[in-house]
Amino acid sequence: DIQMTQSPSSLSASVGDRVTITCRASQGISKYLAWLQQKPGRPPKSLIYDASTLQSGVPSRFTGSGYGTDFTLTISSLQPEDFATYYCQHYYTYPITFGQGTRLEIK
Amino acid sequence: QVQLQESGPGLVKPSETLSLTCTVSGGSVNSNYYWSWVRQPPGKGLEWIGYIYFSGGTNYDPSLKSRVTISLDTSKNQFSLRLSSVTAADTAVYYCARGASGYSPYYMDVWGKGTTVTVSS
Repeated sequence: DIQMTQSPSSLSASVGDRVTITCRASQGISKYLAWLQQKPGRPPKSLIYDASTLQSGVPSRFTGSGYGTDFTLTISSLQPEDFATYYCQHYYTYPITFGQGTRLEIK
Repeated sequence: QVQLQESGPGLVKPSETLSLTCTVSGGSVNSNYYWSWVRQPPGKGLEWIGYIYFSGGTNYDPSLKSRVTISLDTSKNQFSLRLSSVTAADTAVYYCARGASGYSPYYMDVWGKGTTVTVSS
């Protein structure tokens, strides 16, 4: 199985800050990486697929980049609604696996 | 707009079989998508369980493969999950989700709200 490792596991930031979350795959996965956002008590929401393509309706302050084994999710200017847990997910081969999550908290 | 809704018992006894159904509205299960199940143990991350394709093909996570069955009911526009011989480790929120069209493997673009299943006597 491909292991997905996110860093950091948690992060404190303020409204307006720029934050970056990293996801590393245990082997190359080409561009086949998605980012999801999950708020407490809510299902995950798809933000980005193919490493850098925004889902329809997702604000442009979210940016994804990377290829192969190293990927990043950047939020350019944090808004109050962005405080949540973020997961990466590969879809290069089966089984599909997720990172352990990064919890983004208000400082 | 496609919507998914999970249903099923919230409490299952150890060693018994967990059964959940996902009802699809605003679209058809008999279309070119991978209909999936994902779970999330309390306070933990997401775990892919498996999928059923509209043609009936399935694929399961190896760690669960011996206990999992995912099936499709096109007449009811539903797909279902059965997980046998459950233990406390199977306690989780169970989500049904749709795999994005044109991808295999896939990312999930539509999610149900989730249903909590507790395994306890």
